[in-house]
Amino acid sequence: DIQLTQSPSFLSASVGDRVTITCRASQGISSYLAWYQQKPGKAPKLLIYGASTLQSGVPSRFSGSGSGTEFALTISSLQPDDLATYYCQQLNTYPLAFGQGTKVDIK
Amino acid sequence: EVQLVESGGVVVQPGGSLRLSCAASGFIFDDYAMHWVRQLPGKGLEWVSLITWDGGSTYYADSVRGRFTVSRDDGENSLYLQMNSLRAEDTALYFCAKDVSRYSSRWGLDYWGQGTLVTVSS
Repeated sequence: DIQLTQSPSFLSASVGDRVTITCRASQGISSYLAWYQQKPGKAPKLLIYGASTLQSGVPSRFSGSGSGTEFALTISSLQPDDLATYYCQQLNTYPLAFGQGTKVDIK
Repeated sequence: EVQLVESGGVVVQPGGSLRLSCAASGFIFDDYAMHWVRQLPGKGLEWVSLITWDGGSTYYADSVRGRFTVSRDDGENSLYLQMNSLRAEDTALYFCAKDVSRYSSRWGLDYWGQGTLVTVSS
């Protein structure tokens, strides 16, 4: 089975900072990677699919990159509304899998 | 407007069975793969199961294979998860979710329900 490892598990940054979360797959998954944002008490929200395609309605400060085994989610200018936990998911190989999550806090 | 509404979550004893339902509306249900994802209390997301758009293939997490069965009724625009031989570690909030792309299951989950809570306890 493919394992996804996110880093860091927790980060604290200031409003306006550029923030990057990485996701490493234990095997190559081409570009079949999605990123989600989950706020407390809410269902996850799709941000990025196909590693770099921005989902409709998602602010352009979010971007995704990578292919194969190394991926990144970048928030170009952190906003207070971005306080959440972020997850990557691989959809290349069954069983599908999520990363363990990265909690983003605002300083 | 796309809506997914889960139901069926209750308290059940270890070894028991349960069927979760997910009522879909606002999109052409027949055209999309559907997923079940769970979240243990205070923990991360765990993918559980997928059924393809045509119902021809089903996939499961190792932790539930052989105990859970996913199915769909396109006439009722509904997704189901039959859960047997339940264990304490199956206690979680169960979400149904729609795949973002027609006729595919490779890209992501764009709409999610609010979840239904399953508690396995004696």
